[in-house]
Amino acid sequence: AQRVTQPEKLLSVFKGAPVELKCNYSYSGSPELFWYVQYSRQRLQLLLRHISRESIKGFTADLNKGETSFHLKKPFAQEEDSAMYYCALRGGGFKTIFGAGTRLFVKA
Amino acid sequence: SAVISQKPSRDICQRGTSLTIQCQVDSQVTMMFWYRQQPGQSLTLIATANQGSEATYESGFVIDKFPISRPNLTFSTLTVSNMSPEDSSIYLCSVDEQETQYFGPGTRLLVL
Repeated sequence: AQRVTQPEKLLSVFKGAPVELKCNYSYSGSPELFWYVQYSRQRLQLLLRHISRESIKGFTADLNKGETSFHLKKPFAQEEDSAMYYCALRGGGFKTIFGAGTRLFVKA
Repeated sequence: SAVISQKPSRDICQRGTSLTIQCQVDSQVTMMFWYRQQPGQSLTLIATANQGSEATYESGFVIDKFPISRPNLTFSTLTVSNMSPEDSSIYLCSVDEQETQYFGPGTRLLVL
């Protein structure tokens, strides 16, 4: 069965501090993993995907198949990073399954 | 990327009634998805809608409660039938384009 686990519902950090949003997954095949973000009053949108291996808005995420993790990291958090972050797995049948989400709050 | 619109953006309904939500995409897409996002919770996939075939429902969701139409490659509707307060939620339409999900703005439903 496909499953995405985000253990933290809320993460609060100070501006300039490093941030790591945790994501673990369960999937028997070869997973495609994503991070989606929802800023206040905006629709859900893609932040990054593991295949592209790029840094978006300073965020990176590395797929660790051994630990079945896809943690999202940023070395220096900014206030504008405050948002809801969802880890997602695209598996069989082209379905995308979302984790419970982590609300990131960056304090000034 | 696909541009998705939904109507209505929000509604307040009485229990026992039904509401049909419309989703329009600016390009032809094979697969459309309907999600529900209950207050304080994550997105839950309701069903996958392919044009020309019946929708495929996820566990816990049935066609009688959430009938879906997919008349062409740019449009779909989701009906929430015989509503109860537990159906109060945000309903999201989504498409898969180049292995990425794109979302509509959502329909915020409150059932009294």
